[in-house]
Amino acid sequence: DAKTTQPPSMDCAEGRAANLPCNHSTISGNEYVYWYRQIHSQGPQYIIHGLKNNETNEMASLIITEDRKSSTLILPHATLRDTAVYYCIVRVDSGTYKYIFGTGTRLKVLA
Amino acid sequence: EPEVTQTPSHQVTQMGQEVILRCVPISNHLYFYWYRQILGQKVEFLVSFYNNEISEKSEIFDDQFSVERPDGSNFTLKIRSTKLEDSAMYFCASERDSGNTIYFGEGSWLTVV
Repeated sequence: DAKTTQPPSMDCAEGRAANLPCNHSTISGNEYVYWYRQIHSQGPQYIIHGLKNNETNEMASLIITEDRKSSTLILPHATLRDTAVYYCIVRVDSGTYKYIFGTGTRLKVLA
Repeated sequence: EPEVTQTPSHQVTQMGQEVILRCVPISNHLYFYWYRQILGQKVEFLVSFYNNEISEKSEIFDDQFSVERPDGSNFTLKIRSTKLEDSAMYFCASERDSGNTIYFGEGSWLTVV
């Protein structure tokens, strides 16, 4: 089972920041948090990942709480093309690394 | 930017027929995966593959499924005798080293009739 819980859906106005929360209260010390998104039924697209520190790249920022039990993905200026299902994933080390997808958050960016 | 490519993009097959889905991973990647997504449901892990053998498989990946890397570039998923419930989008993914980021292809949509 996925180690994350996310709200099922969110709306965001175009041009505003989209803040997508994720709870991962059972995360272990060496497990990374990854974010992917899926537009329609396309392949999941990598966004960002982190372990403890906050991370930023050209797509988004990832804020991880100090206790690592939750995180927030921030899309700083959402556009209509950011409408997608966003998945927060804790990468599990079970001998090999495994990505277990939950149900994600369906983000709708509104014009 | 290098990407994972999958063929076919869509295949319709009769129940009981064999299907082979093909994937070309990113060229310097060593770890390969298949996931599937039944319409409206979650993306589910099927199998991971490294060094020409299966590393891990889920309970979904039963004896009807097999994977191989026949020629050092293609990575294939074979379903021996398809069932209606195998209808899904199948995603291939690859990873350069263990513990790096995995990158997904655009998927192969399989419809079993």
